[in-house]
Amino acid sequence: GAVVSQHPSWVICKSGTSVKIECRSLDFQATTMFWYRQFPKQSLMLMATSNEGSKATYEQGVEKDKFLINHASLTLSTLTVTSAHPEDSSFYICSASTNYGYTFGSGTRLTVV
Amino acid sequence: RKEVEQDPGPFNVPEGATVAFNCTYSNSASQSFFWYRQDCRKEPKLLMSVYSSGNEDGRFTAQLNRASQYISLLIRDSKLSDSATYLCVVNRYQAGTALIFGKGTTLSVSS
Repeated sequence: GAVVSQHPSWVICKSGTSVKIECRSLDFQATTMFWYRQFPKQSLMLMATSNEGSKATYEQGVEKDKFLINHASLTLSTLTVTSAHPEDSSFYICSASTNYGYTFGSGTRLTVV
Repeated sequence: RKEVEQDPGPFNVPEGATVAFNCTYSNSASQSFFWYRQDCRKEPKLLMSVYSSGNEDGRFTAQLNRASQYISLLIRDSKLSDSATYLCVVNRYQAGTALIFGKGTTLSVSS
């Protein structure tokens, strides 16, 4: 149990456009979802913590107006990269804490051209 | 100071070798500790949790020293399939709070 489905797996977009990444908890209710990004040869860096029905908490240095997080239900959290630029190209991954430990989405590889 | 710091690596070892990874964390409020494995920028997979008493899972042994805020992982009899990046991970605070990842140490096992 405790599966998080993340979509899309990869996306290529033009500079200036927005991209939405979805994470759905399939068999549990995710009160909290953590969002990370990973640049090449770097580790996973926590971007923000989203809580169902309230505003997300962003890590220092992460622009909340650029990385919009919505957690409107217990089974869906979304991250929207607004006005994407090439420097936003990265691997984005979500994670939730469950009764079985932490579970991760499969990640989204974003390339902005 | 980074929240979690690891040996930079890479570690290149022959099959059968024993290799040790070290990690330190800065937040004394951290309550849970883990080693994760990550392959080719896929999602990280839990290798093992780490307890103060030390714990072993087959060829893998993990140790935790809360006084010095130090975590270690020992891999014995390395296999080709152990080649991956090993991430030292701690909770920011109590269980259920965000996981904070170290930069990772890359292990390459060769025949």
